[in-house]
Amino acid sequence: QVTLRESGPALVKPTQTLTLTCTFSGFSLSTSGMCVSWIRQPPGKALEWLARIDWDDDKYYSTSLKTRLTISKDTSKNQVVLTMTNMDPVDTATYYCARTVVRGTSYFDYWGQGTLVTVSS
Amino acid sequence: QTVVTQEPSFSVSPGGTVTLTCGLSSGSVSISYYPSWYQQTPGQAPRTLIYNTNTRSSGVPDRFSGSILGNKAALTITGAQADDESDYYCVLYMGSGISVFGGGTKLTVL
Repeated sequence: QVTLRESGPALVKPTQTLTLTCTFSGFSLSTSGMCVSWIRQPPGKALEWLARIDWDDDKYYSTSLKTRLTISKDTSKNQVVLTMTNMDPVDTATYYCARTVVRGTSYFDYWGQGTLVTVSS
Repeated sequence: QTVVTQEPSFSVSPGGTVTLTCGLSSGSVSISYYPSWYQQTPGQAPRTLIYNTNTRSSGVPDRFSGSILGNKAALTITGAQADDESDYYCVLYMGSGISVFGGGTKLTVL
C-alpha cells in the first residue's frame, strides 16, 4: 500500500525559508522509475507543479520558481524534502507530495493529503 | 511560457455527457504530452482519473474516458452523477522533467 504524508510548519514569516518533508511508504525511491513530485495549491486556486526528484537523483524544477526551490531525498528514511526560500504571502498554499510515474509516461498516481502553509508576519 | 488551458467552468445535467478539454496556449496537444486528469473535491487531495491520454486509473469508473480531440486532450464523463461535481485538472508533460497543470474546470451537475 502506497502512502505519502507531508509535514512542515503551518506558519512561516515573509522572507523565511520553508522546509517541507514528504514521508512515504509502499515503494522505494531507489527503484528505477520511481519519482516524487511536489505540487501546491493556493486557497481557491489551481494546482501548480513545483519540483520532482527521481530514483537516480535527477531533479527538475518549475521554470518560474527554480531559483527558490531545492528538492532532495533520503532514500534510507523514505523521505523527500523541499525547501523554498524567500517566502511571501502569495506562497500561502496547501503543499502536496505525489508519487510520480515516468517510465514511458508521466503522471501522479498517489497523493499525500497535503499540508497548509500560511505565510504571514 | 506555455500555458495549459481548460474551461473555467462547465455544467452538465444528471445522466448527461460532458467533455472537458485541455489545450496549449501555443501548439497542439498530442499523446507525447502524456495527458493526465485529476478530480478534486473541496478540502480533498486530488484523485488520479486518467493517464497516458486514455488509461483509467485503478478503481475509476468506465464512464470517465480520455482522448485527443482535435488539438486538445479531452476528458469525457458519460452518464454524469451528482458526485462527479468537482474540479478537474489536466496535466501535460512538457519534457525535461517538467509538468504543467491546467487552470482547472469546475464541473457542476444540475
